[in-house]
Amino acid sequence: GNSVTQMEGPVTLSEEAFLTINCTYTATGYPSLFWYVQYPGEGLQLLLKATKADDKGSNKGFEATYRKETTSFHLEKGSVQVSDSAVYFCALSDRDGGSQGNLIFGKGTKLSVKP
Amino acid sequence: NAGVTQTPKFRILKIGQSMTLQCTQDMNHNYMYWYRQDPGMGLKLIYYSVGAGITDKGEVPNGYNVSRSTTEDFPLRLELAAPSQTSVYFCASNTDRGNTEAFFGQGTRLTVV
Repeated sequence: GNSVTQMEGPVTLSEEAFLTINCTYTATGYPSLFWYVQYPGEGLQLLLKATKADDKGSNKGFEATYRKETTSFHLEKGSVQVSDSAVYFCALSDRDGGSQGNLIFGKGTKLSVKP
Repeated sequence: NAGVTQTPKFRILKIGQSMTLQCTQDMNHNYMYWYRQDPGMGLKLIYYSVGAGITDKGEVPNGYNVSRSTTEDFPLRLELAAPSQTSVYFCASNTDRGNTEAFFGQGTRLTVV
């Protein structure tokens, strides 16, 4: 079945450091890929998405490229801020005919950014 | 601009009690979902609905029930609460089957003691 594996946390970085959170997936069809972010005490918010191979999603300085050959969707940011401290979830949605369209999530990676 | 609204935000239940978690969305989305989030784990799908009157089980449906009488509302019912149901519950909605952004409520933190 479909699954998502992402880098275990927690990840602690200093402000302005470079961030990479690895995400790989297994899917039978041609999924859409997403990164969601969850700030403390809140629900999940879409950070970025990519719907086909080689697409790059970007938002708020974060980027991720849909790599079909390596089945990966790694999240990167060149210079993190304290306000980026949150839990990040990689997810896929299988768009094939039999799917109910729900998201399959990784376990989440907690990022803490220190001043 | 409400989006997806869940109530209550917090609840403590005793073992064997029942309760309903409410979820409503004002975006006219056909697809709605209930997930649970356990510590250190991703979200697991409990139930989903593709439109009013249509519901189906997800990955972890045992101990729960749902109904979808209107497009807007998708309540989740817990019968005979058990400690294993201690979790954070999220409701989500989507306009399309997987291609577009899913919108999440703020969650309900449930503790069963």
